[in-house]
Amino acid sequence: DSGVTQTPKHLITATGQRVTLRCSPRSGDLSVYWYQQSLDQGLQFLIQYYNGEERAKGNILERFSAQQFPDLHSELNLSSLELGDSALYFCASSGSLGSPLHFGNGTRLTVT
Amino acid sequence: GQQLNQSPQSMFIQEGEDVSMNCTSSSIFNTWLWYKQDPGEGPVLLIALYKAGELTSNGRLTAQFGITRKDSFLNISASIPSDVGIYFCAGIYGGATNKLIFGTGTLLAVQP
Repeated sequence: DSGVTQTPKHLITATGQRVTLRCSPRSGDLSVYWYQQSLDQGLQFLIQYYNGEERAKGNILERFSAQQFPDLHSELNLSSLELGDSALYFCASSGSLGSPLHFGNGTRLTVT
Repeated sequence: GQQLNQSPQSMFIQEGEDVSMNCTSSSIFNTWLWYKQDPGEGPVLLIALYKAGELTSNGRLTAQFGITRKDSFLNISASIPSDVGIYFCAGIYGGATNKLIFGTGTLLAVQP
């Protein structure tokens, strides 16, 4: 158990809809990261937050947004969903800079 | 998106054999990490490397941080069936973010 909790585990929705994925980091970790894993793209970095502030952005679409709340949990919002958004979405957390990331078990999103 | 070059892409071996996989990059990293991912789960950290030339072991696993800081390898000795999974290398550039860039993965299958 990595200590990172993601909910829900599975999500099935239709194109055009909006969903919210939730992540609770390990106790004491201030950084939260979101990654997308699809079959043909591997693990792609989306966005990082540190203590409530956006720290780095990767290949995140404009239809996607995230935030980190004062209690350090984070949410990833995906809107105007397309079939190609179907993927595993992972959250990870870490402590200080340079320390390894610890991953949750992901949310599997299926867009039909 | 950005990914590290990892090889081989897949390996099919007999139980008891040793395994070696490696990762290369055109960029320099400050930290190299190796993760294992089982089906339906998040990546689990195996080994973390923080200094060029560092050689670190974790049970039957041994990994090294290349001298040039642009490569790393992972060896698994005396493989067992539960070693089956996808192995990812990952690198952290450092600086103000802790963003992790992942390799393309090595699928390992172990036949009893």
